Amino acid sequence: AQSVAQPEDQVNVAEGNPLTVKCTYSVSGNPYLFWYVQYPNRGLQFLLKYITGDNLVKGSYGFEAEFNKSQTSFHLKKPSALVSDSALYFCAVRALTGRRALTFGSGTRLQVQP
Amino acid sequence: DTAVSQTPKYLVTQMGNDKSIKCEQNLGHDTMYWYKQDSKKFLKIMFSYNNKELIINETVPNRFSPKSPDKAHLNLHINSLELGDSAVYFCASSQRNAADSNQPQHFGDGTRLSIL
Repeated sequence: AQSVAQPEDQVNVAEGNPLTVKCTYSVSGNPYLFWYVQYPNRGLQFLLKYITGDNLVKGSYGFEAEFNKSQTSFHLKKPSALVSDSALYFCAVRALTGRRALTFGSGTRLQVQP
Repeated sequence: DTAVSQTPKYLVTQMGNDKSIKCEQNLGHDTMYWYKQDSKKFLKIMFSYNNKELIINETVPNRFSPKSPDKAHLNLHINSLELGDSAVYFCASSQRNAADSNQPQHFGDGTRLSIL
């Protein structure tokens, strides 16, 4: 079975400070990993993905994520947070083979204070 | 605008009724999905179709029946609605590439279903 854990329900950070949203995963074999963001009353929007190659993946809006195979983690990062980054962030995983469905984490609410 | 569009945006109905939610994508994708997001924001896949063929069918009550008339449309029909069906239902689409389905999914803005 595949699973995703986002251990923090909420992350608070001051505008201009770096942010990290944590994600760990469990999957058989190599993973595909994704981050999505959800703004109020909207659907999820794709931020970035890891398929293979460089462990540091860059995505939309200045976000990046680092794949760490030994720690089975895929933490989302941004060097300087903006108030407009405040939203709900979802990590998702699926295996390269086998089950085709994405499994999402429970979401982390990011609150950036001015 | 190119997008995944769902109708209706809001659906309020009585327990026991039958209702449908429609989804259309004009992104040229060949795979479509239905997700359910509960009140705690937990998101779970329900169904997926690839070129009108059902490829994912999670443990969902058979009161829920998806229908894909063509690869641009995936509708969701729900019979005998129950209180626990209250949730936000999201449609999504993606392109299945030659290697595997590692393409990102594009989501609609959701249908907020409330059962009275």
